[in-house]
Amino acid sequence: QKEVEQDPGPLSVPEGAIVSLNCTYSNSAFQYFMWYRQYSRKGPELLMYTYSSGNKEDGRFTAQVDKSSKYISLFIRDSQPSDSATYLCAMSVYNQGGKLIFGQGTELSVKP
Amino acid sequence: GAGVSQSPSNKVTEKGKDVELRCDPISGHTALYWYRQSLGQGLEFLIYFQGNSAPDKSGLPSDRFSAERTGGSVSTLTIQRTQQEDSAVYLCASSLQGTSGSGTDTQYFGPGTRLTVL
Repeated sequence: QKEVEQDPGPLSVPEGAIVSLNCTYSNSAFQYFMWYRQYSRKGPELLMYTYSSGNKEDGRFTAQVDKSSKYISLFIRDSQPSDSATYLCAMSVYNQGGKLIFGQGTELSVKP
Repeated sequence: GAGVSQSPSNKVTEKGKDVELRCDPISGHTALYWYRQSLGQGLEFLIYFQGNSAPDKSGLPSDRFSAERTGGSVSTLTIQRTQQEDSAVYLCASSLQGTSGSGTDTQYFGPGTRLTVL
């Protein structure tokens, strides 16, 4: 079993929809939680980062962490065609270097 | 430079040949990482360099894989006697401080090298 599980999709939604992306994890030592966005043929870019349970909002994006359930989510409001990309969750343990453990990534397509 | 650069962007090789992949990190970044991205496996950590410390090689899949970082800047990932299962996109990332900072700091990724082993 992988340390981080993420549904690979693909997920297709109409423009303006609310998108929910999720990851579960098994290692309770994970302390830092990130969401990366990756466009086709590009490297991933950091979208959001959090280290505590609860919600963190940045514009149309909200990251949610529930450490008791070992579950993290990314919500995208008013989704746009430009949001079409692969979204990867990533996690790390303090004092294990910057080694990131990634989920498989969810491919999202937002249709105009 | 403006970001992390990697070369070549694409590499096709024959099974059994050796390949070298290059990464130029962002200037001033002390930490450098290599990851591999393949279908069905997602993004996997390979190796991590932090300043002058011994690298964390815990993610290298076999002894055919090795990496160097010269002068604290450019890094080369070498795969010897390539196999078809080595076909993947190899991504390099760099960050300002690695573990030297408080918590974690942002990793900036290059565009990757797409390796195809025939």
